[in-house]
Amino acid sequence: AQSVTQLDSQVPVFEEAPVELRCNYSSSVSVYLFWYVQYPNQGLQLLLKYLSGSTLVKGINGFEAEFNKSQTSFHLRKPSVHISDTAEYFCAGGGGGFKTIFGAGTRLFVKA
Amino acid sequence: DTGVSQNPRHKITKRGQNVTFRCDPISEHNRLYWYRQTLGQGPEFLTYFQNEAQLEKSRLLSDRFSAERPKGSFSTLEIQRTEQGDSAMYLCASSLGGALDQETQYFGPGTRLLVL
Repeated sequence: AQSVTQLDSQVPVFEEAPVELRCNYSSSVSVYLFWYVQYPNQGLQLLLKYLSGSTLVKGINGFEAEFNKSQTSFHLRKPSVHISDTAEYFCAGGGGGFKTIFGAGTRLFVKA
Repeated sequence: DTGVSQNPRHKITKRGQNVTFRCDPISEHNRLYWYRQTLGQGPEFLTYFQNEAQLEKSRLLSDRFSAERPKGSFSTLEIQRTEQGDSAMYLCASSLGGALDQETQYFGPGTRLLVL
């Protein structure tokens, strides 16, 4: 079955600390992979996407993600987080055609 | 602001009533998507349109749900005989309509439905 699994439902972290949000995808998910961010009462905003080529993808707001085919992972990282990064983060993958399969989300909570 | 807009932003209805939501995509975008997001979950794909043609429907889209995009611009999602389990955020997204590897979906703010 097609699935995208986010391994942590919540990640608390102190401001200016590094963070990693983990994502694994099933092999039946196509290797178009995405990370979206959702702020309260807003729609989803694309942070970055992997289509092909370099396995290290850089996105907006200082985020980056690394595609690892052997581990079927696409973890999101940021070296130093800010209070404003507090949000829900969704990993997603192509579900065939133009359908997108989303993970359940990881709530990043940045503490002062 | 020329992003994706959705109306209404919030809807409270009683069980058994019909509701209709509207989505206005970014003007030059050919593809339009509907998703449902319940509390604590990621968005679940419901359906998508290429211009006015509805090309794929999820099994989640029961016969009480219908979506249209009559002129290839705005879209409506109607739920008939609402049930409490329909309570969710309904998200709309649009994309330019290029090749798959060029696709980026832009999301609207969503319509939050509460069925009492």
